[in-house]
Amino acid sequence: NAGVTQTPKFQVLKTGQSMTLQCAQDMNHEYMSWYRQDPGMGLRLIHYSVGAGITDQGEVPNGYNVSRSTTEDFPLRLLSAAPSQTSVYFCASRLGSADTQYFGPGTRLTVL
Amino acid sequence: GENVEQHPSTLSVQEGDSAVIKCTYSDSASNYFPWYKQELGKGPQLIIDIRSNVGEKKDQRIAVTLNKTAKHFSLHITETQPEDSAVYFCAAAAAGNKLTFGGGTRVLVKP
Repeated sequence: NAGVTQTPKFQVLKTGQSMTLQCAQDMNHEYMSWYRQDPGMGLRLIHYSVGAGITDQGEVPNGYNVSRSTTEDFPLRLLSAAPSQTSVYFCASRLGSADTQYFGPGTRLTVL
Repeated sequence: GENVEQHPSTLSVQEGDSAVIKCTYSDSASNYFPWYKQELGKGPQLIIDIRSNVGEKKDQRIAVTLNKTAKHFSLHITETQPEDSAVYFCAAAAAGNKLTFGGGTRVLVKP
């Protein structure tokens, strides 16, 4: 198993550009989540999904969209990038609500 | 929703000493409490977890205790080593609900 994979590892955007951060898992996990981690801060939940076709907002959803058309993939879209979205983004997945959550390696995003 | 608070935010210990990190949670329905270790430039990795039907769990030098009445849980690392230096996160989840993380503790083990 590859586990949770994220692409790209690094990305630089200009203000106003849009892009999609990719996340995939090959463990047949139902639960998938996106977090952002700012310097010196903890993990803040952006969006999450409890299964294909189901998504919900976390604590910091503004400026981001998600979709879950398959069990494996959970892309995160930045609609119009802003400097405040400069952060490290982590995708995570787990089988059920009380199961081990596995994190991807992260995407470091800089918005100029 | 769930709120998880973690203390201290930084912890410096001498190699060989013990380290203790404490977390409190607000949702009495939470029943799953994992701990993650994050090394520089990497994603968090699970080191130990505990479920609400258990009061304590050990794995070599790491132990976690849970007090459901007081709604707090703690991570204990004994005989600390330099490779234990990292950021540690606690988290809590209720059945069918999202995982909420504490703010993190930066642990430095001084040789």
